[in-house]
Amino acid sequence: GAVVSQHPSWVICKSGTSVKIECRSLDFQATTMFWYRQFPKQSLMLMATSNEGSKATYEQGVEKDKFLINHASLTLSTLTVTSAHPEDSSFYICSARGQTRENEQYFGPGTRLTVT
Amino acid sequence: GENVEQHPSTLSVQEGDSAVIKCTYSDSASNYFPWYKQELGKRPQLIIDIRSNVGEKKDQRIAVTLNKTAKHFSLHITETQPEDSAVYFCAASKNSNYQLIWGAGTKLIIKP
Repeated sequence: GAVVSQHPSWVICKSGTSVKIECRSLDFQATTMFWYRQFPKQSLMLMATSNEGSKATYEQGVEKDKFLINHASLTLSTLTVTSAHPEDSSFYICSARGQTRENEQYFGPGTRLTVT
Repeated sequence: GENVEQHPSTLSVQEGDSAVIKCTYSDSASNYFPWYKQELGKRPQLIIDIRSNVGEKKDQRIAVTLNKTAKHFSLHITETQPEDSAVYFCAASKNSNYQLIWGAGTKLIIKP
């Protein structure tokens, strides 16, 4: 149980275009979903926290107009990178928090974004 | 702000020996301390966690200890094997927002 999927697993896009990443909890309802970015040889950096049906809370320094997060249901959250630039190239990982083991987060497999 | 410090950044041990990774946290309200193993290009994998009402937890070759007074927690891996080679992250969270505050990571290298 507690499986989180993420799609796509990798994507290459041209500078200036937008990319949408989906995060789904497959066998549980996710009260909260978190979006992280991870650069090579670095730790995970929390970008934003989203609760179903409400606006996402962005961490300091993360542009909400550039990284659009939608958490439309208890099993789906999406991250859209708008007007992507090469510096947005990174590994994006989502996680979901369920309703039983409150603190535990279940991670998606990640999306490798490369902006050319 | 809240932070978690993790040491060492790289740890190289002989196969069969033990490895210890240490973390300290700043927020006394933290009550959940997970450890993750991450292989290159993969998602973090929870290997063990401990809550603030427990001082020690063990799962086969892996153990975690927590000292709430000192705000320290440590990961202990005994009888290390080549497949233990990876990057390990500690983290801390609290019930007010459940956000994980991450350590910087430790690259564990098991020498055959």
